[in-house]
Amino acid sequence: DIVMTQSPDSLAVSLGGRATINCKSSQSVLYSSNNKNYLAWYQQKPGQPPKVLIYWASTRESGVPDRFSGSGSGTDFTLTISSLQAEDVAVYYCQQYYSTPFTFGPGTKVDIK
Amino acid sequence: QVQLQQSGPGLMKPSQTLSLTCAISGDSVSNNGATWNWIRQSPSRGLEWLGRTYYRSKWYNDYAVSVKSRITINPDTSENQFSLQLNSVTPEDTAVYYCARALTSTGGNWFDPWGQGTLVTVSS
Repeated sequence: DIVMTQSPDSLAVSLGGRATINCKSSQSVLYSSNNKNYLAWYQQKPGQPPKVLIYWASTRESGVPDRFSGSGSGTDFTLTISSLQAEDVAVYYCQQYYSTPFTFGPGTKVDIK
Repeated sequence: QVQLQQSGPGLMKPSQTLSLTCAISGDSVSNNGATWNWIRQSPSRGLEWLGRTYYRSKWYNDYAVSVKSRITINPDTSENQFSLQLNSVTPEDTAVYYCARALTSTGGNWFDPWGQGTLVTVSS
């Protein structure tokens, strides 16, 4: 199984500040034949299911604000919230879909400082 | 707009069989460009993918090794829904259970949308 890790476990950022979340996979999720990284990011607010923000490591889902961006390749990935808003308080997860079983990171909680 | 609506009991006793259903609107369980998944979430195990069912000229299933001996995911084409059965539950199966679609026609397997979630508590 591909093991996903995230850092930090939690962070507090001032409104308008930048939040950076890291995700690492135990093996590469870059598929060489199409040069795509099989990595998605989700946002989960209390009492709600996760909501996909980004797929293919850097493609924003329709309707997701452009302050959310994803980067990275291979085994190391980053989700950046460029200007944190109050509604961004949530837990963020990465997920690999390179191979089954599909696996998720443990989550990073983002709060307002 | 695709929506998934979950139903099923929330409180169970050890050794019983967990049964949940996910009703699909806006798509078809027979869509050969999608898979239909069950995922659970608990404080101890985080988000854990349990398995999926999908149609590609015939029906297929994939299951996580951790539950493979106890799990069945079945499509129901007459009701356009799919179900989860997990046998011989223990308190370790206590979790919020979600159904979710993956639109594999994109080439990927991210999950969208998700059902609303069902908290299943296993306790004697």
